[in-house]
Amino acid sequence: DGGITQSPKYLFRKEGQNVTLSCEQNLNHDAMYWYRQDPGQGLRLIYYSQIVNDFQKGDIAEGYSVSREKKESFPLTVTSAQKNPTAFYLCATTGQDQPLYFGPGTRLTVT
Amino acid sequence: GENVEQHPSTLSVQEGDSAVIKCTYSDSASNYFPWYKQELGKGPQLIIDIRSNVGEKKDQRIAVTLNKTAKHFSLHITETQPEDSAVYFCAASRGGTSYGKLTFGQGTILTVHP
Repeated sequence: DGGITQSPKYLFRKEGQNVTLSCEQNLNHDAMYWYRQDPGQGLRLIYYSQIVNDFQKGDIAEGYSVSREKKESFPLTVTSAQKNPTAFYLCATTGQDQPLYFGPGTRLTVT
Repeated sequence: GENVEQHPSTLSVQEGDSAVIKCTYSDSASNYFPWYKQELGKGPQLIIDIRSNVGEKKDQRIAVTLNKTAKHFSLHITETQPEDSAVYFCAASRGGTSYGKLTFGQGTILTVHP
């Protein structure tokens, strides 16, 4: 889990509330990513950022928003528009020509 | 877009046996193929990766083979141990600035019985 911190490990919210998941890295990597994992399924890309103040939608961006104001931080907001927000959320980073390196994840439960 | 299919979904072996997991991909432009191991409640960890200019790569008990013509790649684990029990994911991307834009397979639950 090294240089990527995701907090908290478990998060509970009521339906209709927005919630922000934290991701911090001290690896000096330019690129950061958010993936979502559902039980028994592979990971799917939500958003990614290759440089500060710039980010792009992944395959399942609807109902999510991000910001990249600092190189070290890439928070993900799960909005009330996300129809099925309960999932395991994984933040990841890459350096130049480096493989994807994942954080420990945040398990979000919305009831 | 890319589509990655992974088989089998579950695999049960005896300690010391070999385990093989296979993946196919659809995008002929994909040229980077990593494999991740995920333990319960944790983030995936890279165990081995291969680029399209290489047909096979080994790291101790783990090997990956790639057939670009057939668009499939496989993970081979020899002399399995109980600590190899986990979920394994294959993935594919176009590499370059897209190293992190991975399309993942559905995962294989590997159980190694002592």
